[in-house]
Amino acid sequence: AQSVTQLDSHVSVSEGTPVLLRCNYSSSYSPSLFWYVQHPNKGLQLLLKYTSAATLVKGINGFEAEFKKSETSFHLTKPSAHMSDAAEYFCVVIAGGGGNKLTFGTGTQLKVEL
Amino acid sequence: DVKVTQSSRYLVKRTGEKVFLECVQDMDHENMFWYRQDPGLGLRLIYFSYDVKMKEKGDIPEGYSVSREKKERFSLILESASTNQTSMYLCASRSPVLGLAPLYNEQFFGPGTRLTVL
Repeated sequence: AQSVTQLDSHVSVSEGTPVLLRCNYSSSYSPSLFWYVQHPNKGLQLLLKYTSAATLVKGINGFEAEFKKSETSFHLTKPSAHMSDAAEYFCVVIAGGGGNKLTFGTGTQLKVEL
Repeated sequence: DVKVTQSSRYLVKRTGEKVFLECVQDMDHENMFWYRQDPGLGLRLIYFSYDVKMKEKGDIPEGYSVSREKKERFSLILESASTNQTSMYLCASRSPVLGLAPLYNEQFFGPGTRLTVL
């Protein structure tokens, strides 16, 4: 069985300050992990993915995430928030053994204030 | 450019109506997926299709069926719409996963159809 928990449903930051969106996972197999972003009235877009290569993964728009097996975490970070980062972010886990089933977290709404 | 399109952005139907949601992808992907998205619940998988005429239930298939007659098109059918099926519906497609390693090819999502059942 696999699951993913996004620890914050809403995060608010000021423009120019760091962003931290937290995600913990549970998986019976060696997992692959992803972050997707959804801007208002748009489809989901892949930000980055971890598939058992380097534990620090860089994505688009300056985001990165670090896979920490000992903590079962895959937190998303960005050094400096921009207004355009305001969106909903989803952490996703997929287990090995075929890998058709994605399990989505419940989402974190990021608000960026001036 | 990669493209997944859904037939409607907004749809309003009445209880008991039969509803068709259409999804088309232009990437020649074998795998296609239907999800519903509800606040506080994230995305939940309704059905997916490995290839033409193949389908498999996801986590919440009750009240839904699907059709995949052509590779590029995957339809979600609500046989008799109910108010608890009011939701955002998202379609996605992907090249198939290869082998047993946790390789993953990105799922590409359409913009979604917001369905309201009155």
